Amino acid sequence: DAKTTQPNSMESNEEEPVHLPCNHSTISGTDYIHWYRQLPSQGPEYVIHGLTSNVNNRMASLAIAEDRKSSTLILHRATLRDAAVYYCILVGVGSQGNLIFGKGTKLSVKP
Amino acid sequence: DTGVSQNPRHKITKRGQNVTFRCDPISEHNRLYWYRQTLGQGPEFLTYFQNEAQLEKSRLLSDRFSAERPKGSFSTLEIQRTEQGDSAMYLCASSLKGNQPQHFGDGTRLSIL
Repeated sequence: DAKTTQPNSMESNEEEPVHLPCNHSTISGTDYIHWYRQLPSQGPEYVIHGLTSNVNNRMASLAIAEDRKSSTLILHRATLRDAAVYYCILVGVGSQGNLIFGKGTKLSVKP
Repeated sequence: DTGVSQNPRHKITKRGQNVTFRCDPISEHNRLYWYRQTLGQGPEFLTYFQNEAQLEKSRLLSDRFSAERPKGSFSTLEIQRTEQGDSAMYLCASSLKGNQPQHFGDGTRLSIL
């Protein structure tokens, strides 16, 4: 699976939007972009995934660049509960499915 | 959907002892994964099952580690002759099939004295 690059940490204010970037310049045409987050003392939690088009669900939105070399996870209104480590992971359609986690982005949310 | 359940949540043992962890996946999920996570790092893949068949093992899974998934339901991960370096959080995840989103348990934290 191709590698992703994320900032080590980001800060946000409560109730403001948050844009978490991810670079994946070596992405292949069949790699899906998955996002997971991990709250303190919990296992990772699936957030969203996409291939080419932007995706929305109840938790977040995923904006994928036209060339697919980068993507952005958007939390529309950050809450204190959104403070977590966010992981951007590429999953190949033909892969075994095991996730390759980097260090992710630690998001802090200030009240 | 009762989620993925892992037991115990915490395990403290002396170096050299054997330990076994259990994972109960979401009932209809065919895929079951084990990961290990050390402090400040992301989870690292250990092994996975498709139903009862163990299909891949990471090089991290030394011969002291063994995993089973009898009848394709719950899974156990056993570590024999534990070492200090085995101290970590052991996470289990399940999915309906490969490449589908994985659902994680809250892990078993192992501490080796």
